Amino acid sequence: DIQMTQSPSSLSASVGDRVTITCRASQSISSFLNWYQQKPGKAPKLLIYVASSLQSGVPSRFSGSGAGTDFTLTISSLQPEDCATYYCQQSYNTPRTFGQGTKVEIK
Amino acid sequence: EVHLVESGGGLVKPGGSLRLSCAASGFTFSDAWMSWVRQAPGKGLECVGLIKNEAEGGARDYAAPVKGRFTITRDDSKNTLFLQMNSLKTEDTAVYYCATFGAGRKFDYWGQGTLVTVSS
Repeated sequence: DIQMTQSPSSLSASVGDRVTITCRASQSISSFLNWYQQKPGKAPKLLIYVASSLQSGVPSRFSGSGAGTDFTLTISSLQPEDCATYYCQQSYNTPRTFGQGTKVEIK
Repeated sequence: EVHLVESGGGLVKPGGSLRLSCAASGFTFSDAWMSWVRQAPGKGLECVGLIKNEAEGGARDYAAPVKGRFTITRDDSKNTLFLQMNSLKTEDTAVYYCATFGAGRKFDYWGQGTLVTVSS
């Protein structure tokens, strides 16, 4: 199975800060990397797919980059509503595995 | 608007069975690849399995922890996805979400989830 490792596990930042979350795959996954946002008690929501494509309706402050084994999710200007847990997920092969999550809090 | 509504969760004893349903609307269900993803309390996300559309053979795949115990089926005439869970274990306790698996190999739309608790 492909292991997905996110860092950091949690972070605290101020409104307006630039926030970066990284995701590393245990082997190359090309660009088959997706990012999800999950708020407490809610279902996950797709933000970014195939590493850098923004899902329809998602604010442009979210962006993704990377290929191969190293990927990044960036929030250009953190907003209060971005308080959530973020997960990366690979679809290069089965099983389709998720990272352990990064919890983002507002200072 | 895509709408997915899961039902059928509840409390079941170890070794028991449960059948979850996911009613879909707002898209052409028969064309869609569908999946079940679960989340144990306070834990991360795990893809339980996926079923392709019938035009692509309806093939299914399952995560190793549930293979041989869980079965995913679909009824395209009723726009409904099912997850039959047998020989349940305490470690199967989780919120179970159904999700579409769209082009670009992404879980693009999710239901609200249904809680399954396996406990004696």
